[in-house]
Amino acid sequence: SAVISQKPSRDICQRGTSLTIQCQVDSQVTMMFWYRQQPGQSLTLIATANQGSEATYESGFVIDKFPISRPNLTFSTLTVSNMSPEDSSIYLCSVGDRGPNYGYTFGSGTRLTVV
Amino acid sequence: AQRVTQPEKLLSVFKGAPVELKCNYSYSGSPELFWYVQYSRQRLQLLLRHISRESIKGFTADLNKGETSFHLKKPFAQEEDSAMYYCALIGSQGNLIFGKGTKLSVKP
Repeated sequence: SAVISQKPSRDICQRGTSLTIQCQVDSQVTMMFWYRQQPGQSLTLIATANQGSEATYESGFVIDKFPISRPNLTFSTLTVSNMSPEDSSIYLCSVGDRGPNYGYTFGSGTRLTVV
Repeated sequence: AQRVTQPEKLLSVFKGAPVELKCNYSYSGSPELFWYVQYSRQRLQLLLRHISRESIKGFTADLNKGETSFHLKKPFAQEEDSAMYYCALIGSQGNLIFGKGTKLSVKP
């Protein structure tokens, strides 16, 4: 299965600032997703990162707050903009493989604390 | 609506006891279901895929379309099985839709 490198692993940020999270995959993948996992909660999909076009956002998430880039089939970034304490969470990158190695792989996550 | 329900937030058993983590789903058509596990301080990792009908670490899960369930079972729990377990299905966008998770605690 694909190997994902996600960074930073954690950060403490001031409110009102922005943080960009990077996700690098060791192989080309079609499907790439960004999730949020709030403390003690399950994973919620933020958006699907589409290569060559705008990301597809889930209800409750907007591009101005969570801009996403996907310049190629191995890399994506998620920016958390104008942060507030409510954005404190773990953010995870995931890739999907519907081929022979069928499954979905997750990055190690970025633990964000906004103060 | 596409939804995964894990009714138990916490399941506590003794070592050697059988374990069943419940998962029910709502999906139109043929669902593709998974179990993921997250050990303490580790990343989320795939445990089982229903299409593979495999047994991993002694765990099995059978898809029951009549009951819309995909319960995870293990006949004899081990302490190292203590973790968060998430049931998930592939949604119409190709992403995974997760249940709220069940924390399994295996006591010595």
